[in-house]
Amino acid sequence: KQEVTQIPAALSVPEGENLVLNCSFTDSAIYNLQWFRQDPGKGLTSLLLIQSSQREQTSGRLNASLDKSSGRSTLYIAASQPGDSATYLCAANDYKLSFGAGTTVTVRA
Amino acid sequence: GAVVSQHPSRVICKSGTSVKIECRSLDFQATTMFWYRQFPKQSLMLMATSNEGSKATYEQGVEKDKFLINHASLTLSTLTVTSAHPEDSSFYICSAPPLVGEGTEAFFGQGTRLTVV
Repeated sequence: KQEVTQIPAALSVPEGENLVLNCSFTDSAIYNLQWFRQDPGKGLTSLLLIQSSQREQTSGRLNASLDKSSGRSTLYIAASQPGDSATYLCAANDYKLSFGAGTTVTVRA
Repeated sequence: GAVVSQHPSRVICKSGTSVKIECRSLDFQATTMFWYRQFPKQSLMLMATSNEGSKATYEQGVEKDKFLINHASLTLSTLTVTSAHPEDSSFYICSAPPLVGEGTEAFFGQGTRLTVV
């Protein structure tokens, strides 16, 4: 059974700092890994999708890396803004999505 | 990207009643849809896999007689919470992959906040 872990559980940084969110998974036989953002009481917003054959994916200030052999993915958010405050979830896709518990980010103005 | 529409977004019901949640793929066909549940401050947990034209597959610990899933067409799956109780209060969300395998991106509905009083 796929187990997904996210560290840290919470993170508080001043505006402008770079964020590093970690995700690890136990079974490397995945199709892809997806990062989501969830605002309080809301659904999921897809941020980045990294295919199993890729090493990284970038969108604007977001960059996600994937090391499938070691079962790790990292989401980098550059120059954080208060609007980045949310919970970030990673999910490993081996046909079914297995989610981590998330990292709750607070960016202080 | 593909659009998945979930309805209703919020529902409050009395204990003992049933609630139906709909999940529609608007611009693609989905032979498979997934239903997740999220309790406060916890992550999403897969409840069941909905298969068009056949029975749903439930994850361990999920009561299939309590959470009825119907996947009547290639664009619609429904989850009915029967005889709801306060402990069923949760955030329910569906997802649909247009294709299976590498390249598959999961698209999610907006979620349904269920409160049982």
